Amino acid sequence: KNEVEQSPQNLTAQEGEFITINCSYSVGISALHWLQQHPGGGIVSLFMLSSGKKKHGRLIATINIQEKHSSLHITASHPRDSAVYICAVLSYNTDKLIFGTGTRLQVFP
Amino acid sequence: GAVVSQHPSWVICKSGTSVKIECRSLDFQATTMFWYRQFPKQSLMLMATSNEGSKATYEQGVEKDKFLINHASLTLSTLTVTSAHPEDSSFYICSAPTPTEAFFGQGTRLTVV
Repeated sequence: KNEVEQSPQNLTAQEGEFITINCSYSVGISALHWLQQHPGGGIVSLFMLSSGKKKHGRLIATINIQEKHSSLHITASHPRDSAVYICAVLSYNTDKLIFGTGTRLQVFP
Repeated sequence: GAVVSQHPSWVICKSGTSVKIECRSLDFQATTMFWYRQFPKQSLMLMATSNEGSKATYEQGVEKDKFLINHASLTLSTLTVTSAHPEDSSFYICSAPTPTEAFFGQGTRLTVV
């Protein structure tokens, strides 16, 4: 079993839909990152969370430390949101990032 | 915001040659940088941790003589793939963490022919 599990693996949506991507982890963490990887491969950091909730534009990220679970929400999705979204946790023990396998999102007009 | 610049973005080389990939932190000092490798549709795999002024630490299974890492300054780390073979073809990406965010380079797609 992977230390960081994401669901779903693939997600398609119509423009305007509300999207949720989930991440569960099994290790002790210092922080959790949500990353966006575009088809060319470049990775952009969306959020770094250690507790609670953060919002940036149409993106919202939440984390529940007790349940070892985080969610990334996209409101009013748009085709330009199409990308792979990666959950990565910063291991408390090793101080290194452990990555989920990513969720491939496609938003159609 | 802080930016990490990685160069080149893609490279094609002949089998047996060496390829150097550079990772620069443009507006902050990075005492630590991470080098990752990513195969198609898989997650990032940590190869090594690059430490400024000292030897890199490699993850289990990563050949340190094949993947040479140099972190000679607080803004530059390099990864050299020596005697490249087709199985080294992959996407390589660096990252420089700060207390509030992890910054990633643009990645380098290496193809060995």
